[in-house]
Amino acid sequence: EIVLTQSPGTLSLSPGERATLSCRASQSVSSNYLAWYQQKPGQAPRLLIYGASTRATGIPDRFSGSGSGTDFTLTISRLEPEDFAVYYCQQYGSSPRLTFGGGTKVEIK
Amino acid sequence: QLQLQESGPGLVKPSETLSLTCTVSGGSISSSSYYWGWIRQPPGKDLEWIGSIYYSGSTYYNPSLKSRVTISVDTSKNQFSLKLSSVTAADTAVYYCARGRGYHFNNWFDPWGQGSLVTVSS
Repeated sequence: EIVLTQSPGTLSLSPGERATLSCRASQSVSSNYLAWYQQKPGQAPRLLIYGASTRATGIPDRFSGSGSGTDFTLTISRLEPEDFAVYYCQQYGSSPRLTFGGGTKVEIK
Repeated sequence: QLQLQESGPGLVKPSETLSLTCTVSGGSISSSSYYWGWIRQPPGKDLEWIGSIYYSGSTYYNPSLKSRVTISVDTSKNQFSLKLSSVTAADTAVYYCARGRGYHFNNWFDPWGQGSLVTVSS
């Protein structure tokens, strides 16, 4: 099983600032099969990025994903008020054991 | 626009079987391009993939839950279902259904249903 470790656990930032979220895998993620999701309280997760760097339909270009192998990053270039949420990474290169990270909460400073 | 909606009992007794159905609207569950998955999230905790199914009936399950999980599909109703047997309090969670995309069962999920809270308690 590939274990995904997200850091930091909580990120306190102000609107307009840049957010950098990390997702580290316990072993190499095949074909960069890594996705990022945003989850707001009481809502289902929303897909942001798949294939490590491909934005999903309708996702603003202030969200970008990068990385390969075991180290991946989600960057939000300029935080908007609606971006304060919890972010999860998910690897899907190791079926039948798809796994999620523990999440990073981006909160208003 | 594709939508998914979970339905089923919100309260299940310990040792019994949890049953949920996901109804897909705005698209066909029989599309060869997609898979259909169940993911759960205990209150305040992380997401856990339970398993996925293809319209043909092929399934993949999380090995940690495999002995208790059955996922099935009913293409005539555009639905797929989850059964989790011998539940305990540890199975209390919000259960999400979602559409999976990717190669074979190597799936990311989009979109998701709104989620259904299932509480295991006597």
